[in-house]
Amino acid sequence: GAGVSQSPSNKVTEKGKDVELRCDPISGHTALYWYRQSLGQGLEFLIYFQGNSAPDKSGLPSDRFSAERTGGSVSTLTIQRTQQEDSAVYLCASSFLVQETQYFGPGTRLLVL
Amino acid sequence: RKEVEQDPGPFNVPEGATVAFNCTYSNSASQSFFWYRQDCRKEPKLLMSVYSSGNEDGRFTAQLNRASQYISLLIRDSKLSDSATYLCVVKDNNNDMRFGAGTRLTVKP
Repeated sequence: GAGVSQSPSNKVTEKGKDVELRCDPISGHTALYWYRQSLGQGLEFLIYFQGNSAPDKSGLPSDRFSAERTGGSVSTLTIQRTQQEDSAVYLCASSFLVQETQYFGPGTRLLVL
Repeated sequence: RKEVEQDPGPFNVPEGATVAFNCTYSNSASQSFFWYRQDCRKEPKLLMSVYSSGNEDGRFTAQLNRASQYISLLIRDSKLSDSATYLCVVKDNNNDMRFGAGTRLTVKP
């Protein structure tokens, strides 16, 4: 079946603009995760959803970042008033249950000029 | 101190060599452990889970030492296709996944 998909695959934006990143998890997966990977860095955990609920939002870097998930499926990560340090690859992953293996999407490469 | 630490490498080895990576973690309450593989400009993919008793999958062997809080990955008979970055992943008791920065491996002919 289809894997995790993310859109857009690449996004170039100007500093101060808002961006919205989308993740479509594998059908039937209840858990969804957002990560950020900066050049040459490890993955930084941002937030995860159990169904439509995010039990812990403390991983989000600042209050400019927000995420939501509706219908237990698609999730969007929104970055308001983007800064250059927000430039990174944003990866989404999903798993059938929270404690099970995560499968990653191809990522969205964000460049803030 | 980082929650999950790995030697970034790079490890440059000839084909057929045996290579081992270690990873240390700081949270003693960590529950689950994994090795992921990430190719250049691609997403991470699960290589193998790491079990307390150690486990093997073909040329790959993973081991966990809870007392010393480290996990290891051994690759035998390295292939050119093994060239990638290997990410150590630790899941804590809150189901938060913590990734190491990765160890880069290059296998040369």
